[in-house]
Amino acid sequence: GQQLNQSPQSMFIQEGEDVSMNCTSSSIFNTWLWYKQEPGEGPVLLIALYKAGELTSNGRLTAQFGITRKDSFLNISASIPSDVGIYFCAVSGGSNYKLTFGKGTLLTVNP
Amino acid sequence: NAGVTQTPKFQVLKTGQSMTLQCAQDMNHEYMSWYRQDPGMGLRLIHYSVGAGITDQGEVPNGYNVSRSTTEDFPLRLLSAAPSQTSVYFCASNRSVYEQYFGPGTRLTVT
Repeated sequence: GQQLNQSPQSMFIQEGEDVSMNCTSSSIFNTWLWYKQEPGEGPVLLIALYKAGELTSNGRLTAQFGITRKDSFLNISASIPSDVGIYFCAVSGGSNYKLTFGKGTLLTVNP
Repeated sequence: NAGVTQTPKFQVLKTGQSMTLQCAQDMNHEYMSWYRQDPGMGLRLIHYSVGAGITDQGEVPNGYNVSRSTTEDFPLRLLSAAPSQTSVYFCASNRSVYEQYFGPGTRLTVT
C-alpha cells in the first residue's frame, strides 16, 4: 500500500523556537493534509493543501505542498507549550474518501 | 452538534470475549471510517463506509466486523478479542473528500 515517510519521529524543543517537519512519498498525490493530535484526543485537521507548490498558513503554522507532489512540509513558528502533540501528515488518493496517514511526529515543548 | 461520539472511552476485555465499539455522528456525513492507533504505527484504516448499507475493508480488517444500518451510526465489532487488538480505536466521518473529523477514541486493552 501507500507509504508516507514522516520525519523526525520526535522533537524536543524550547518554547519560542521554530519547528519544521516533513513528509515524503514515492507516489504522487493530489492533496496533502496535516493533522494534530493532542494527548487523549482524536486528530484534528490543521491545514489542507490542494495544489502543487501551494503555501498555506493557519496562525503560526505554515504548510507547503511540494512541487513534485511527493512531499509536504509543516513549520510552526515561535512554539508555545500548547503546541505539544503528535502531528500527522495524510494524503488523499483521489475521489475516494480514504486517507493514508504518516506515522506522526511527536512534539514536546519545554516551557 | 456533538460531532463524532464514541463509547466506551475505556474497555478491558479478556481474550476470546466479544464486544462492540459504538460510533455516532450528527453531521449527516455519508463517509465514516474506523482506525486503530498503535505506538509508532500511526493511524491504520480498519473498515470504512460510503453510506448506509455499504461497507468495505481497509488496511487491517481481520478480526473486526462493521455494519452501517443508518447514516448516523457505524459500530465496530470485535468477534473474539486477542491481545494484538489492544489499541486506541478512532472513528471518523468526512464532511468532504478531504475533511475528516475524528471522535475522542476508545482505549481497549485485551488481557
